[in-house]
Amino acid sequence: AQKITQTQPGMFVQEKEAVTLDCTYDTSDPSYGLFWYKQPSSGEMIFLIYQGSYDQQNATEGRYSLNFQKARKSANLVISASQLGDSAMYFCAMRDTTTGTASKLTFGTGTRLQVTL
Amino acid sequence: DTGVSQDPRHKITKRGQNVTFRCDPISEHNRLYWYRQTLGQGPEFLTYFQNEAQLEKSRLLSDRFSAERPKGSFSTLEIQRTEQGDSAMYLCASSPSQAGGPPEQFFGPGTRLTVL
Repeated sequence: AQKITQTQPGMFVQEKEAVTLDCTYDTSDPSYGLFWYKQPSSGEMIFLIYQGSYDQQNATEGRYSLNFQKARKSANLVISASQLGDSAMYFCAMRDTTTGTASKLTFGTGTRLQVTL
Repeated sequence: DTGVSQDPRHKITKRGQNVTFRCDPISEHNRLYWYRQTLGQGPEFLTYFQNEAQLEKSRLLSDRFSAERPKGSFSTLEIQRTEQGDSAMYLCASSPSQAGGPPEQFFGPGTRLTVL
């Protein structure tokens, strides 16, 4: 079974600084996908970035980049130039392929990021 | 805006009552998912539809829970004889299934259920 571990319950970062949110995963499947979602206090899950297990390069989307280290089974999210609006819960997730339905997501417990002035 | 919508956004009910939630996915998406999120946790998978077929159900989905997607468009999630442990945010998501399409699931705003 897939498992996602996020060991940082909460993080603080100063505005305009960069921050790294940790995510490790466990799977025996050679083909998988890793996702990061942002959940503001309003509750909606907002997709940020995706990394496929066979992708050669680390994914980037604007201020978001994914530091994918396959051998270490880690997929850390890096947010550059933090903004006050980045304050939210951040979830790492993996696409489950073991049961043949290649779409179910398994989420970690999340990291609450607080951006300060 | 043509994102995923959910109704109601909030529901307060008494223990033992039945509740029904509705999800309208993005119109061209044929995959629809339900997740449950309790306080301090990440979303947990409940069930998944491809068009009108329910292809997978989690062990979390007890006999009191039933989900339908009768015409392959909107979906409903019903909880019978609600218990206090059912209090949670119920999230719906949708995605297309064609190869080469975006890999992510698009989430709705959720329905927050409180069982008194």
